[in-house]
Amino acid sequence: SQTIHQWPATLVQPVGSPLSLECTVEGTSNPNLYWYRQAAGRGLQLLFYSVGIGQISSEVPQNLSASRPQDRQFILSSKKLLLSDSGFYLCAWNKGVGGYTFGSGTRLTVV
Amino acid sequence: GNSVTQMEGPVTLSEEAFLTINCTYTATGYPSLFWYVQYPGEGLQLLLKATKADDKGSNKGFEATYRKETTSFHLEKGSVQVSDSAVYFCALSGRDSSYKLIFGSGTRLLVRP
Repeated sequence: SQTIHQWPATLVQPVGSPLSLECTVEGTSNPNLYWYRQAAGRGLQLLFYSVGIGQISSEVPQNLSASRPQDRQFILSSKKLLLSDSGFYLCAWNKGVGGYTFGSGTRLTVV
Repeated sequence: GNSVTQMEGPVTLSEEAFLTINCTYTATGYPSLFWYVQYPGEGLQLLLKATKADDKGSNKGFEATYRKETTSFHLEKGSVQVSDSAVYFCALSGRDSSYKLIFGSGTRLLVRP
């Protein structure tokens, strides 16, 4: 069966520090991968998606970047965090019209 | 571009009341439609889906019908329970190769005993 792992579950980082969030998928190959952010009390904003290794599409200009070094690995990064980067980050995978499977999320607090 | 509009919350109901959460969409072509649920402190879970007009998605007593003529996908449940308290997101996915999900802003449901 397919599973998606996302870590860490919670993270508190100071302003200006770097960030690396990792997401891996098991049990499938060549999935589409996505990073979403949910700010407090708000909906979900698509940040990045990838349809293949090394292929990254950015949906909104921001302080973050994404990479896909392997077929089932998707990494969200920042060189210097801002207060506004705080939020709940969700990774997801998909292989067609059936909908997404989401990871359990990472709650990031930038202090 | 594609977009989803859903009713603002919070929606507060008593246990066993009837629930409707409205969702309308704007899209080119024929998108797939979804409802996701987020329980406190957790990620999102797929609740139900419909991939073509007039399809009815259903799960755990919840239902939603894909209405192309009104571009709507309203979520309904005949008798809510306290355990249904959560945030509900309507979403659509186009049929290009990215299959990007576009979400509504979410509706918080609070069910009182």
